[in-house]
Amino acid sequence: DIQMTQSPSTLSASVGDRVTITCRASQNINSWLAWYQQKPGRAPKLLIYKASTLDSGVPSTFSGSGSGTEFTLTISSLQPDDIATYYCQQYNNFPWAFGQGTTVEIK
Amino acid sequence: QVQLVESGGGVVQPGKSLKLSCAASGFTFSPYALHWVRHAPGKGLEWVAFISFDGSNEYYADSVKGRFTISRDQSKSTIYLQMNSLRVEDTAVYYCARTNPAAGYYFDVWGQGTLVTVSS
Repeated sequence: DIQMTQSPSTLSASVGDRVTITCRASQNINSWLAWYQQKPGRAPKLLIYKASTLDSGVPSTFSGSGSGTEFTLTISSLQPDDIATYYCQQYNNFPWAFGQGTTVEIK
Repeated sequence: QVQLVESGGGVVQPGKSLKLSCAASGFTFSPYALHWVRHAPGKGLEWVAFISFDGSNEYYADSVKGRFTISRDQSKSTIYLQMNSLRVEDTAVYYCARTNPAAGYYFDVWGQGTLVTVSS
């Protein structure tokens, strides 16, 4: 099974900062990677699929990059509404797997 | 409005059973594969089960294989999760989520979730 590892587990940054979250796969997943945002008490929301394609309605402050085994999610200018836990998910192989999550806080 | 609405959660004792439902609306049900994904307290997201667009294929996480069964009723645009032999570690919010096999198995629509608590 493919393992997904995110870093850091928690991130504290100021409003307006550029924020980067890394996701590593234990084997090549090509570009079959998605990113989700989950706010407390809410369902996850799709942000990005195929490593870098923004889902409809997602602000352009979010971007994704990478292929193979290493991927990044970047928030170009952190806003208070971005406070959430972010998860990556591989869909190259069954079983589909999520990273353990990165919680983004405001400093 | 595209929507998935889960129901059926509750408090149940270890070893007992529970059946969750997920009703779809606002889109054509038949082309889409559906999944159950859970979120245990203090933990990350865990994919649980998959059913293909026509119900002919089912896959399960090792943690629930042999205990949980996913099914779908095309006439009601609804999927189900029959959970037997429940364990304390099955306590979680259970979400149903949609994937489009033509686009890839990422989850583009999620329900609001239903809480399952397994406790004596």
